[in-house]
Amino acid sequence: AQKVTQAQTEISVVEKEDVTLDCVYETRDTTYYLFWYKQPPSGELVFLIRRNSFDEQNEISGRYSWNFQKSTSSFNFTITASQVVDSAVYFCALSEPGIQKVTFGTGTKLQVIP
Amino acid sequence: DADVTQTPRNRITKTGKRIMLECSQTKGHDRMYWYRQDPGLGLRLIYYSFDVKDINKGEISDGYSVSRQAQAKFSLSLESAIPNQTALYFCATSEPLAGNTDTQYFGPGTRLTVL
Repeated sequence: AQKVTQAQTEISVVEKEDVTLDCVYETRDTTYYLFWYKQPPSGELVFLIRRNSFDEQNEISGRYSWNFQKSTSSFNFTITASQVVDSAVYFCALSEPGIQKVTFGTGTKLQVIP
Repeated sequence: DADVTQTPRNRITKTGKRIMLECSQTKGHDRMYWYRQDPGLGLRLIYYSFDVKDINKGEISDGYSVSRQAQAKFSLSLESAIPNQTALYFCATSEPLAGNTDTQYFGPGTRLTVL
């Protein structure tokens, strides 16, 4: 069965600090997809990134970067120079094509303090 | 306009009442999903539908039913609401690309309180 673990329940950082959100997954499949979603205080879920299991290149988008390591089954998310607007709950998720469903982690609540 | 809409956005009801939550999408996606979110538990799948004639139970379907009235509409019903169904409910859609990537796009959520 597929599983996603986000061990960090809550993180608080001071504005401009860097912060890394951890995500560890379990799957038996060799083909799968990983996602990150953001849920700001307003409640909506915003898609941030999708990564397939064959692409281990790290990705950077502005202040956001993602580190995918198959050897450790991790897909970590780093925010550089955090801002108050980054305060949100962040969810990591896993999709296996054979199962055709997405499994979400329990989320990490990030609070950026001014 | 939003691609995925949910109505109502907020609802307070009493134990034993029948409640319907509605979801509509303009993304043209075949796949639609209902999730509930509870603090500390993340999102859990209630039901999903890969087309109008396809309905599947998720991990927590007991106490819920769904109807896929059209490609664009997917409704969730609580036949007899109970307090532990108080939660934030999300509808989502997806369109599988090659390899069934299943990127899901979410509606704004419905906050349901059962007293």
